[in-house]
Amino acid sequence: DAGVIQSPRHEVTEMGQEVTLRCKPISGHDYLFWYRQTMMRGLELLIYFNNNVPIDDSGMPEDRFSAKMPNASFSTLKIQPSEPRDSAVYFCASSLDTQPQHFGDGTRLSIL
Amino acid sequence: AQKITQTQPGMFVQEKEAVTLDCTYDTSDPSYGLFWYKQPSSGEMIFLIYQGSYDQQNATEGRYSLNFQKARKSANLVISASQLGDSAMYFCAMRDEDNFNKFYFGSGTKLNVKP
Repeated sequence: DAGVIQSPRHEVTEMGQEVTLRCKPISGHDYLFWYRQTMMRGLELLIYFNNNVPIDDSGMPEDRFSAKMPNASFSTLKIQPSEPRDSAVYFCASSLDTQPQHFGDGTRLSIL
Repeated sequence: AQKITQTQPGMFVQEKEAVTLDCTYDTSDPSYGLFWYKQPSSGEMIFLIYQGSYDQQNATEGRYSLNFQKARKSANLVISASQLGDSAMYFCAMRDEDNFNKFYFGSGTKLNVKP
C-alpha cells in the first residue's frame, strides 16, 4: 500500500513568495495532520482534519499560514508571504480513527 | 502544562544492551492512546509501538516493549539488545481521544548506540 505522499520533498524559495505544500493521505484514513519540525521548537502540530473538516488549527502560527482539504485524498498547506523563520521540515500524517499516525517523508522548506 | 514529557534529551547505550527511554504524560481523560515513534537521521518518522489506556498488558513489538504504568502516568519504551541502527531520535506521543483525537508529541530523546 502506498504511504502518505508529500510533495515537494525540498523547496527553496525567496522570502515573500507563496509556498504550497501538498499531501496525499493513505486511502481510507479519516484524519490528516500537518506538523512543523525545527531544532528550536521540535515537532509542532499545526492543524488537523477529520473527514476533510478542520478540527483544530490552534497551532497555525499566524494568518500567513492556511490549510485546506478539498477532498479525502488531498490537502495543502500554504504560506503567503513566506519568511525565513518559516524554514523547517513540514510533515503530513494520516490515521484511521484512533490508530497510529503514518507520516510522509516531509518537505524540507528553506526560505532565503 | 506539558502533555508529554521526555526528560532525557540524549542517551548512550552499549550495543546489545537494553535501554529504557522515559515518557510521562498528563491527562485527566480515561480514554487515550500512547505511541512511540523513531526518527533516524534520514528524517522519516517511523511508528514503533502503541498502548491503549484500557489495555491490561504492556505492548510489545519485537525488540520494543512499552512499560505502561497507568497510576504513575508513565509509558517508557524499552529497547532490548540494542543495535547500531537503533541510533535515532525517539518521540513519545499521546492521542487524547476525548479531545477530538488531538495528538501531542514530546520533545524527543536522542539515542546513540555505541559499538
